[in-house]
Amino acid sequence: SQQGEEDPQALSIQEGENATMNCSYKTSINNLQWYRQNSGRGLVHLILIRSNEREKHSGRLRVTLDTSKKSSSLLITASRAADTASYFCATDETGGFKTIFGAGTRLFVKA
Amino acid sequence: DAGVTQSPTHLIKTRGQQVTLRCSPKSGHDTVSWYQQALGQGPQFIFQYYEEEERQRGNFPDRFSGHQFPNYSSELNVNALLLGDSALYLCASSTLDLAGAVDEQFFGPGTRLTVL
Repeated sequence: SQQGEEDPQALSIQEGENATMNCSYKTSINNLQWYRQNSGRGLVHLILIRSNEREKHSGRLRVTLDTSKKSSSLLITASRAADTASYFCATDETGGFKTIFGAGTRLFVKA
Repeated sequence: DAGVTQSPTHLIKTRGQQVTLRCSPKSGHDTVSWYQQALGQGPQFIFQYYEEEERQRGNFPDRFSGHQFPNYSSELNVNALLLGDSALYLCASSTLDLAGAVDEQFFGPGTRLTVL
């Protein structure tokens, strides 16, 4: 079963707006990663945040992690049409060696 | 640096056949993980290889097997193919952090397998 659950399942916004996606998980983790996937191609790594970190930034991306609530959020600021893609969170469980993905959020940015 | 490469790009097989998919990791990476992604879903972890051994396995039957070679490249074998095995198969390479967890994973473009 998948551990990460993204919310919302789909999101449609205008170019220039911010997009926020949320991820919840069930067990203790070593780290949480966010990926982007365009049209069923290979995944592109966006950000890795470790369990002892609370926030990370990379360009227009901001990721937060709340281990007490077992949740994370990905914020994309000033979105562009090129940001249209599926976004997945993935967790590495503590004591295990497998990465568990959620079902993803489909983001559509209208020009 | 070529990044993670996978071959073939596309493959069509019939039920009952066997298939072998190949993956070359990014330079400097020693850990390879395989995933199955059905249409519209997130990738499902199949297994992970490190130092030529299967380190962890997901909820997949024994028809799915793999191998890692001394140069860290890897193969995924699927026997007795079923229609439900049709999917995008993704390979990811990484290193391990001090706790033994995977660091940032780099994914290949995938192999799209169609079983008729």
